[in-house]
Amino acid sequence: KAGVTQTPRYLIKTRGQQVTLSCSPISGHRSVSWYQQTPGQGLQFLFEYFSETQRNKGNFPGRFSGRQFSNSRSEMNVSTLELGDSALYLCASSRTRTSGGYQETQYFGPGTRLLVL
Amino acid sequence: AQKVTQAQTEISVVEKEDVTLDCVYETRDTTYYLFWYKQPPSGELVFLIRRNSFDEQNEISGRYSWNFQKSTSSFNFTITASQVVDSAVYFCALYTGNQFYFGTGTSLTVIP
Repeated sequence: KAGVTQTPRYLIKTRGQQVTLSCSPISGHRSVSWYQQTPGQGLQFLFEYFSETQRNKGNFPGRFSGRQFSNSRSEMNVSTLELGDSALYLCASSRTRTSGGYQETQYFGPGTRLLVL
Repeated sequence: AQKVTQAQTEISVVEKEDVTLDCVYETRDTTYYLFWYKQPPSGELVFLIRRNSFDEQNEISGRYSWNFQKSTSSFNFTITASQVVDSAVYFCALYTGNQFYFGTGTSLTVIP
């Protein structure tokens, strides 16, 4: 069974630009969550999508958005990039939603390393 | 508020030594789940174990073992006879209600 895949693996952007990251979950998994990982803040939850709907959102500004398609693939978009957005962005999938009290083990992808210059 | 603390930022051990990674969590919820993940240099977090708040049984899986103690809100992870391949960053995570909360990770280096 293929794992979670993320594209691209590495990305360099400049301040003010926007970026779109893609995540394909494990086959059969319907929930996709996004995390930002930085040396200073560690792993921070961005949002979760399930059945094409955002189910839960972390404490990030509106510049961070996402969506999920009918095949469960998800994209994350960051607009007006700032230097502080440089991070490893991790996507995790699970069979069903993890918000609302449902508990599912999340399986992570290799991440997209974003550098903002 | 939910919180996971991994006080050990970096640990170095010599191969074949045993090592324990500490994890202390905070939550007022009675139902929650605890996890350990391993992050090798490639970046992908690898799931190691899941434990729910009602099951305090310790678990052993090969060289790995976990000690869950609700009385001290701890979920410690021990690697016995460490190997170089164990070198990675290890994350403890708490799931409760709505989302996952991760500790800041412990970077383990096993020296050959």
